[in-house]
Amino acid sequence: GAVVSQHPSRVICKSGTSVKIECRSLDFQATTMFWYRQFPKKSLMLMATSNEGSKATYEQGVEKDKFLINHASLTLSTLTVTSAHPEDSSFYICSARDHRGSSPLHFGNGTRLTVT
Amino acid sequence: AQKITQTQPGMFVQEKEAVTLDCTYDTSDQSYGLFWYKQPSSGEMIFLIYQGSYDEQNATEGRYSLNFQKARKSANLVISASQLGDSAMYFCAMREGGQAGTALIFGKGTTLSVSS
Repeated sequence: GAVVSQHPSRVICKSGTSVKIECRSLDFQATTMFWYRQFPKKSLMLMATSNEGSKATYEQGVEKDKFLINHASLTLSTLTVTSAHPEDSSFYICSARDHRGSSPLHFGNGTRLTVT
Repeated sequence: AQKITQTQPGMFVQEKEAVTLDCTYDTSDQSYGLFWYKQPSSGEMIFLIYQGSYDEQNATEGRYSLNFQKARKSANLVISASQLGDSAMYFCAMREGGQAGTALIFGKGTTLSVSS
C-alpha cells in the first residue's frame, strides 16, 4: 500500500539552530502534503498545506518565516524549523494523499523534536 | 465552533468486549468524508475506516464499523471484540468538500485502554 516516509524520527537540537524534516511519498505522487503539529496527548493541529511547485499555505497563527516549507517535487516536502526554541519542541507529522483518487490521508511516522 | 467533537477523553473496556467511541461533526458542506485513525504510543497514525457523506451504508473494516447517523451528524466508531493491542489514542477526522487537496480536521481524541 501507499507509504509516506518521514525523517528523522527523533532529533535533539540546541536553541538557535535549524532543523529540517523530510516527508516523502514512496509509491505515489502527492501534489499536496500537509504538516501537522501535535503536543503530548493532544490533537493534531494543521500547520500548513504544502503544494508542489508553489508556496505553502499556512494556517492562522503559524509563523511562515519560522516554519519554512518546500515542496520541490511530487514526492518530497520538507519542513525546516528555523532558529529553534524550546517551545518548538513537539511532535511533527506529515501526511499526503495519492492525487489519483479519494484514498485516505497517509501519514509519516512523525518526528519528535526536542530543543534544548 | 469545533468541527469535530470527541467527548470521551478516556474509555476503558475489557478484552473481547465491544466499545463505541463517539464523534460528532459540524459542516455545512454536502460532500465530506469522515475518518478514524488509531495512534499508538509510538506516534504513527494508522488509518482504520472511512465514511463518505453520500455513502448509504455504514462502513465496516474487519472489527471496526462506523455508525454513521447523518441527520445527527455523528460518526461513532465501534470496535468489536476488543484486544489488548487496541489500546491507543483514537482520532475522528473530517475532510470537507470533495477535493483531494483538502486537509483533515481532527478531534481531540479518545484514549482507549483495554484490560485483560
